[in-house]
Amino acid sequence: DVKVTQSSRYLVKRTGEKVFLECVQDMDHENMFWYRQDPGLGLRLIYFSYDVKMKEKGDIPEGYSVSREKKERFSLILESASTNQTSMYLCATEPGTASYNEQFFGPGTRLTVL
Amino acid sequence: AQTVTQSQPEMSVQEAETVTLSCTYDTSESNYYLFWYKQPPSRQMILVIRQEAYKQQNATENRFSVNFQKAAKSFSLKISDSQLGDTAMYFCAFITSGTYKYIFGTGTRLKVLA
Repeated sequence: DVKVTQSSRYLVKRTGEKVFLECVQDMDHENMFWYRQDPGLGLRLIYFSYDVKMKEKGDIPEGYSVSREKKERFSLILESASTNQTSMYLCATEPGTASYNEQFFGPGTRLTVL
Repeated sequence: AQTVTQSQPEMSVQEAETVTLSCTYDTSESNYYLFWYKQPPSRQMILVIRQEAYKQQNATENRFSVNFQKAAKSFSLKISDSQLGDTAMYFCAFITSGTYKYIFGTGTRLKVLA
């Protein structure tokens, strides 16, 4: 089974702090994604990575950056957390074969910024 | 812009009954893929069913089936013999071939009543 893990289920941070959310997958998938999930807004893409050190901005990249130094690990960084970044963050992977079979999701990190 | 609309924020159904969740989308592309994902309470999002736009036959997975109307850009999910374990948030999504960006709807929260 594909396993996608996220470093924390729940996280509480203060405004202005630098926050790291980590995602690790064990299936050698090429593509990795970071989404933000908010009630009534569905899932919105923050960043996408299709290879090590390669990244593309999604729909809402402002205030976020990403890092992918190794194929299995994709990190989301909030440079200076703000209260409007309080949300559920989901990591997802897919093989990258362009067959669009399925995305595999992590359990999510619920981040609260005070 | 490409969009996905799920017009039913919440639904409920009696156990063993049938329920249909609606989804409409908008794209000018002809080659794309459609998905229904399920997110149970406090659990990871998983794929329910997938449909390739070039296939006319509606996809089926056990108790889950879709009604894909390409001309109407409609992709509804039918759940037969509803079970308590079907209680979840359901997201409709699509992606056009050659891109990396999945477009998600806002979700329908389904509650199966005993």
